[in-house]
Amino acid sequence: AQSVAQPEDQVNVAEGNPLTVKCTYSVSGNPYLFWYVQYPNRGLQFLLKYITGDNLVKGSYGFEAEFNKSQTSFHLKKPSALVSDSALYFCAVRPPSGGSYIPTFGRGTSLIVHP
Amino acid sequence: DVKVTQSSRYLVKRTGEKVFLECVQDMDHENMFWYRQDPGLGLRLIYFSYDVKMKEKGDIPEGYSVSREKKERFSLILESASTNQTSMYLCASSLMTESYEQYFGPGTRLTVT
Repeated sequence: AQSVAQPEDQVNVAEGNPLTVKCTYSVSGNPYLFWYVQYPNRGLQFLLKYITGDNLVKGSYGFEAEFNKSQTSFHLKKPSALVSDSALYFCAVRPPSGGSYIPTFGRGTSLIVHP
Repeated sequence: DVKVTQSSRYLVKRTGEKVFLECVQDMDHENMFWYRQDPGLGLRLIYFSYDVKMKEKGDIPEGYSVSREKKERFSLILESASTNQTSMYLCASSLMTESYEQYFGPGTRLTVT
């Protein structure tokens, strides 16, 4: 069975500083990995995904994520945080082809960027 | 641009009422999903549909049913609403490809009193 862990319920960072939101996963084979963002009272929005190839994936709003197979991690990063980045972030994993179409989500990490 | 719409943003119902939550997507996606979101519990899958009239139970199907009569529309039904079904309900759709991301609706915040 696949699983996703987001070890931090909340991450606090000062505006202008780099940010990291952590995600680790467990799945058989090579996974498909996703990050989504949820602003207050809104649905989730897709940010970026890792399918194959370059371990560093770039996405929307200046976010990027690094896939590390040996550490089974897919941490979300941004070089310089903005107050407007404050939101709830979800990591998700899907198994490779032939597996379930149903993704597994982490419990979410609340990112708070202080002015 | 993919669009997933949900029939209501906010809904207040009484215990025992039958509740219909509608979701429509405009990108011809095969897969559609219903989740509920509660603080500290993340997203929990209620039901999933991969084709018209096809459905699979998710993690928490009890007290819910679904209907998918047309490809673009996926309805969630609470047969007899209870207070423990007060929650945020999110609909999502995606292509039938594991590498494809999901697109979410804005959510319906349901309160059962």
